[in-house]
This record gives sequence, C-alpha cells and structure tokens, in this order.
Amino acid sequence: GNSVTQMEGPVTLSEEAFLTINCTYTATGYPSLFWYVQYPGEGLQLLLKATKADDKGSNKGFEATYRKETTSFHLEKGSVQVSDSAVYFCALRGSGGGADGLTFGKGTHLIIQP
Amino acid sequence: DGGITQSPKYLFRKEGQNVTLSCEQNLNHDAMYWYRQDPGQGLRLIYYSQIVNDFQKGDIAEGYSVSREKKESFPLTVTSAQKNPTAFYLCASSPQGPGANVLTFGAGSRLTVL
Repeated sequence: GNSVTQMEGPVTLSEEAFLTINCTYTATGYPSLFWYVQYPGEGLQLLLKATKADDKGSNKGFEATYRKETTSFHLEKGSVQVSDSAVYFCALRGSGGGADGLTFGKGTHLIIQP
Repeated sequence: DGGITQSPKYLFRKEGQNVTLSCEQNLNHDAMYWYRQDPGQGLRLIYYSQIVNDFQKGDIAEGYSVSREKKESFPLTVTSAQKNPTAFYLCASSPQGPGANVLTFGAGSRLTVL
C-alpha cells in the first residue's frame, strides 16, 4: 500500500535560518504529492502540491520538487519566520485516483525562535 | 466564503455515551472524509463518501458510524464501542474531476472522554 515517511520533530530553528523537512514516499505509479500546514488548534491548509515527476510546487516562500528517482518531496524555505511555526504534513494521493483521500505522514512540528 | 464548518469545536463526553460531530460544506464538493488525529500519529482515515447515500470504511472505522443524506453534510457518530475516542477529528472534502486531488479541511473538533 501507499505510505509516507517524514522526519521526526520537533525541528527548532532560529529566525532567518534555512529549512528542510524531508519526505519520502512508497507508492506504485505516479502519485500526486502535497504539503499541508496545520497551525495550533486549526485544521490543515494546503501549502503546495506537485502532480508529476520533476514538478516544483511553491507557495509563501516554500518549495518542494517531486523526485521520482529518489521517491522524495522535501520541503524547503530559504529564510524562516516565527509565523512559520506549525506542524507540516507530507501527503500523497495514489495514481489510481485515490477515492479514499490522501495518505499522510505523521507530521513534523516546526518551532521558529526569534 | 465557501468552506467547511465543523461543530462543536470542543466536546466532552462521559464513557458509554454516543456523540455526533457535525460537518457541513458549501463548496459543492462530491467527496467528504473524516480523519482522526492523535499526537505523533498523523491523520488516519475513519470513513469517506464519494456520493450521497454511499460511504466506505477507512482504516480505523471500528466504533464509528456516518451518514450521507445530503451532499453538504457528513456527520460522524462516535459510539460507546470506540475504545479510545479522545482525539482531534478533522472533516475534509474534495471535488470530483479536475482538482479531485486537493482536500479542503475544516477547523476540527476536539473530543475528550471524561
């Protein structure tokens, strides 16, 4: 079956530091890949997505590139802010259509210190 | 503005009681989902529905029930058979066709069993 593995948290960084959150996946075919963000006490919001190999998703300074050869979709940001503190989820939807929604990783809690 | 409304935001229940969580969407989405979130475990799928009057079990359906009598509504009942119901519950929806990959989430309902 499909699965997503992302780095364990919490990840603690200083403001303006470079961020990488690793995400690798297991799936057959060509799944669609997503990063969602969850702020305290709230639901999940879509941050970015990529639907085919070598696509780069980007939003709010965050980027992730769909790497088929390494089955990875790592999240990066060049200079983080305190407001980026949240839990980040990597997710995939199978190439078969995935009527049962998305498969999520366990989430990475990011803490940005001023 | 279109979106998903979950209620109540916080709910306390005594052991042995059933409780129903509401999920309403005005996005005209066909598919709706319920996920359960526990610390360090990510999101796990409880039930999903692709069309009115039809729904399927997800990975952890035991102790839960749902109905889909209207396109806009997908309530979740947590029954007394659910052994460990204390968790954060998230409802989501998605369209069919183009855009089907992207899930929109509600703000969540936190259930605590006393």
